[in-house]
Amino acid sequence: QSALTQPASVSGSPGQSITISCTGTSSGLGDDYYVFWYQQHPGKAPKLIIFDVNKRPSGVSYRFSGSKSGNTASLTISGLQPDDEADYYCSSYTPNRGVIFGGGTKLTAL
Amino acid sequence: QVQLQESGPGLVKPSETLSLNCSVSGDSVSTGGYYWAWIRQHPGKGLEWIGYIHYSGNTYYNPSLQSRSTISIDRSTNHFSLRLSSVTAADTAVYYCARHRMPVYGLDVWGQGTTVTVSS
Repeated sequence: QSALTQPASVSGSPGQSITISCTGTSSGLGDDYYVFWYQQHPGKAPKLIIFDVNKRPSGVSYRFSGSKSGNTASLTISGLQPDDEADYYCSSYTPNRGVIFGGGTKLTAL
Repeated sequence: QVQLQESGPGLVKPSETLSLNCSVSGDSVSTGGYYWAWIRQHPGKGLEWIGYIHYSGNTYYNPSLQSRSTISIDRSTNHFSLRLSSVTAADTAVYYCARHRMPVYGLDVWGQGTTVTVSS
């Protein structure tokens, strides 16, 4: 299976914006890939925060946004808040390859 | 409100079969457009997709786990299950069940997770 590469960690101060990248290797993140982002607080189940590259489920803050360019998807969190401190996972899905997760990025709110 | 709840033994011996159930409430496993998935997370590590099943019985597995994995569904009791055979310590993880709303909407509902330890 192809891999999704994320930075191990990112940090930012309250109020700042941060971006987490997710780069597809081998077969990449082509146009036939659906892209998702999940947030996971310690000891909790993951929570879907972005689907279909850039859409937010109901109830997810507008401060979370997604984008994709070529083989790289990105999650941007604006107006960083202490509760945003969590692990973030990108994920892709295709009917032929199933679901793949990135290695996860630990966000520290300084 | 859709809720998923995992259940099963917290301790499994090496070489035995791990069996977990996921009970679904607030929705039907027979709802079209949904697949029902299992994901695991090794201690301190990232997420690993195990596979999913549709109410029709269609399944799809992570190639790395396919030979040992079986996911089944019981429409009468509204739950689905995971069996993972020949377990080793490397299968120690938190196991999550989740709803995959195909294809666009992702894993939109998750269970709380259940910890499985493989040890003699």
